[in-house]
Amino acid sequence: ETGVTQTPRHLVMGMTNKKSLKCEQHLGHNAMYWYKQSAKKPLELMFVYNFKEQTENNSVPSRFSPECPNSSHLFLHLHTLQPEDSALYLCASRGSVRQETQYFGPGTRLLVL
Amino acid sequence: DQQVKQNSPSLSVQEGRISILNCDYTNSMFDYFLWYKKYPAEGPTFLISISSIKDKNEDGRFTVFLNKSAKHLSLHIVPSQPGDSAVYFCAARYTDKLIFGTGTRLQVFP
Repeated sequence: ETGVTQTPRHLVMGMTNKKSLKCEQHLGHNAMYWYKQSAKKPLELMFVYNFKEQTENNSVPSRFSPECPNSSHLFLHLHTLQPEDSALYLCASRGSVRQETQYFGPGTRLLVL
Repeated sequence: DQQVKQNSPSLSVQEGRISILNCDYTNSMFDYFLWYKKYPAEGPTFLISISSIKDKNEDGRFTVFLNKSAKHLSLHIVPSQPGDSAVYFCAARYTDKLIFGTGTRLQVFP
């Protein structure tokens, strides 16, 4: 499989649940990103990983916990979320620092009840 | 404070005509500008980019123009096709991060 894949594509969870989102890139890239897209708002950067090291945490609440075990995989662990966390969560990857283009996965549509 | 703005939430264009999508930015430190296209239930797809040292970049039916003095860029699609109907996002790069606008929904009708 090529490109950036995300699983699951849809997720419904209660506020007391714990779940994880998975992202995998097959592009040989070194950087991976988590974004949140809420209705009527621009994509919001959440986390950045370069060579498995977290280089950016954009003031994200601790109920979102990222994990990057290697350059190809990125997880977002979710616990005790709020209904306002319902959104589309997008993963992206980028090649070298000199490359400006990020390539996105299809996203996980999350609904918190 | 939104650093990248797309002030037109929607645009409707007839097939075969030109579509012009606009984007304004505030930060002079952005070094690249990108346009992405997004269909429902899919992630954004990269379309075209332009370096801040250029004023035009063309790729097939898509041309991006950059006016640094006005801090404005635009995407021209000509001729527009029904398959171009999607949401278009403008993005600007600062270090290794992209800052996105809110998007413009383009509808191309026959």
